[in-house]
Amino acid sequence: DTGVSQNPRHKITKRGQNVTFRCDPISEHNRLYWYRQTLGQGPEFLTYFQNEAQLEKSRLLSDRFSAERPKGSFSTLEIQRTEQGDSAMYLCASSLIPGYGTPNTGELFFGEGSRLTVL
Amino acid sequence: KQEVTQIPAALSVPEGENLVLNCSFTDSAIYNLQWFRQDPGKGLTSLLLIQSSQREQTSGRLNASLDKSSGRSTLYIAASQPGDSATYLCATYNTDKLIFGTGTRLQVFP
Repeated sequence: DTGVSQNPRHKITKRGQNVTFRCDPISEHNRLYWYRQTLGQGPEFLTYFQNEAQLEKSRLLSDRFSAERPKGSFSTLEIQRTEQGDSAMYLCASSLIPGYGTPNTGELFFGEGSRLTVL
Repeated sequence: KQEVTQIPAALSVPEGENLVLNCSFTDSAIYNLQWFRQDPGKGLTSLLLIQSSQREQTSGRLNASLDKSSGRSTLYIAASQPGDSATYLCATYNTDKLIFGTGTRLQVFP
């Protein structure tokens, strides 16, 4: 088990371009989360999946953001028409919970993050 | 809405000191509380997970306690080392997501 993997680690783009980040969770983990972190702040929740179902989205996730987890394994986070305010570290995390609909009391494991810089 | 606060925001101590990091939260109806370490430009490394039914967890030189009734958790680091220098984050589960504090930035100097 290699842990949570995120790619790319760094992305520099021009304002208005689209970017996509990929997250490979720990195998057999059924929950997958996306967080955003800006300098000096704690991570902020964006969205999470239970297997392939997207169960909650933060109001931070504007219409320009879309996340998918098509087969309940890896996930992608796409940002369309990037803005300078999108510059941040995007963190992915996964966990294993015993059953659908039960509270997540399991430990959350994070990847190394994908740092986005929008020029 | 859950709010998590960490005090102090920054801490600088000489090597060898025992130290305490504080975390407080406004809603005591949590499922668990997790402490993380984050090195500059890196992701989060899980240190300790305390379930709501537990009062403390220990791992090596680290000990975390949880008092749900008062909305507090503390992370105790014994015999601090320069390698402990990092940002320490606490986070609580209320529903199905972690809510984070802003962290305590720790520097341990030789």
